[in-house]
Amino acid sequence: DVKVTQSSRYLVKRTGEKVFLECVQDMDHENMFWYRQDPGLGLRLIYFSYDVKMKEKGDIPEGYSVSREKKERFSLILESASTNQTSMYLCASSLPINYGYTFGSGTRLTVV
Amino acid sequence: GNSVTQMEGPVTLSEEAFLTINCTYTATGYPSLFWYVQYPGEGLQLLLKATKADDKGSNKGFEATYRKETTSFHLEKGSVQVSDSAVYFCALRPLNNAGNMLTFGGGTRLMVKP
Repeated sequence: DVKVTQSSRYLVKRTGEKVFLECVQDMDHENMFWYRQDPGLGLRLIYFSYDVKMKEKGDIPEGYSVSREKKERFSLILESASTNQTSMYLCASSLPINYGYTFGSGTRLTVV
Repeated sequence: GNSVTQMEGPVTLSEEAFLTINCTYTATGYPSLFWYVQYPGEGLQLLLKATKADDKGSNKGFEATYRKETTSFHLEKGSVQVSDSAVYFCALRPLNNAGNMLTFGGGTRLMVKP
């Protein structure tokens, strides 16, 4: 079964900390994505990547960066965590066209 | 641009009731259409998909038909169970989009009561 694995289900971090959210897929997918999900706001795209070392900003990239050094791994970085980044973070991967995305189980991040 | 509109929730039904969640879309060309389901505390799971007009996607008793003439992809189930309580997302993926990005609807929460 194909899998997207997010390293943590729950995280609690302090304001100002640098936070790394890791995502690994075992499907050899080119495309990988990071979303955040908040009540009433739906899914919002933070960053995506078409290939190794390649990244594109999504709709809400401010306060975030990403890293894709290997095809299977896509990391989301909160440079200096703030309380308004408390959210559910979802990673996904896909083939280029005509297919849906495969999502990870999500990481619920709380910044205190 | 591309967009997906879903009915507002929550939708509250009794067990064994008939379910319809409406989804309409705007897109150039002929996108692929998807329904995802998100159970509490989980990520999104692909429920079903259709890639061309008049295709019917089906899975776990759910089905949806790609209607090009009405630009719709409504989700239906004949008899819902308590375990179907979740948030359902309609999405489209255009074939010619340079980013091949999924566009999601806002999600519809379904609550099924025993």
